[in-house]
Amino acid sequence: GQNIDQPTEMTATEGAIVQINCTYQTSGFNGLFWYQQHAGEAPTFLSYNVLDGLEEKGRFSSFLSRSKGYSYLPLKELQMKDSASYLCAVRAPGSGYSTLTFGKGTMLLVSP
Amino acid sequence: DVKVTQSSRYLVKRTGEKVFLECVQDMDHENMFWYRQDPGLGLRLIYFSYDVKMKEKGDIPEGYSVSREKKERFSLILESASTNQTSMYLCASSTLYEQYFGPGTRLTVT
Repeated sequence: GQNIDQPTEMTATEGAIVQINCTYQTSGFNGLFWYQQHAGEAPTFLSYNVLDGLEEKGRFSSFLSRSKGYSYLPLKELQMKDSASYLCAVRAPGSGYSTLTFGKGTMLLVSP
Repeated sequence: DVKVTQSSRYLVKRTGEKVFLECVQDMDHENMFWYRQDPGLGLRLIYFSYDVKMKEKGDIPEGYSVSREKKERFSLILESASTNQTSMYLCASSTLYEQYFGPGTRLTVT
């Protein structure tokens, strides 16, 4: 089975740095994805890791440790528009259909 | 630019009605998905399809069926809507690496 854990909520102030964590216990692993979802909108793709280490992609980098079943999304120089839910998702191996199992999401609130 | 569209943003139906939710993608993706999203439960996969006329059950298929007669179109069917199917329904299509989501349909069953 798949179990993906994320903190439910986080708060931060504008300009700060936060790190949104995701831990997973899965029967296999073939990639970890991060999505951003603003209230009332569809999720949008942020980042993808399949190998260990930091995947840098502009403002939305992501880190993966497969041995620890752990990923994080570091957000720097927070802006008000970063207030959103951040979804972690794991893809199962051998899944040519690219099915993902999502965590419940972390709601990030950025205040002035 | 990938575009995934859904037939309605908001829908209100009565218990027992048959409900069709339609999803269309314009990127010739083979894989398409239907999810529902509920507070505290996150995104849960209902059904997916990897080719025309092919379908696979996801994690919560009970009470739903799907149809994929054309590559670009994937329909979710609620044969007899119930109040516990009130939810946000999201369609997605994907390459091997990335899923692209439609805007969602907020369905209320009264």
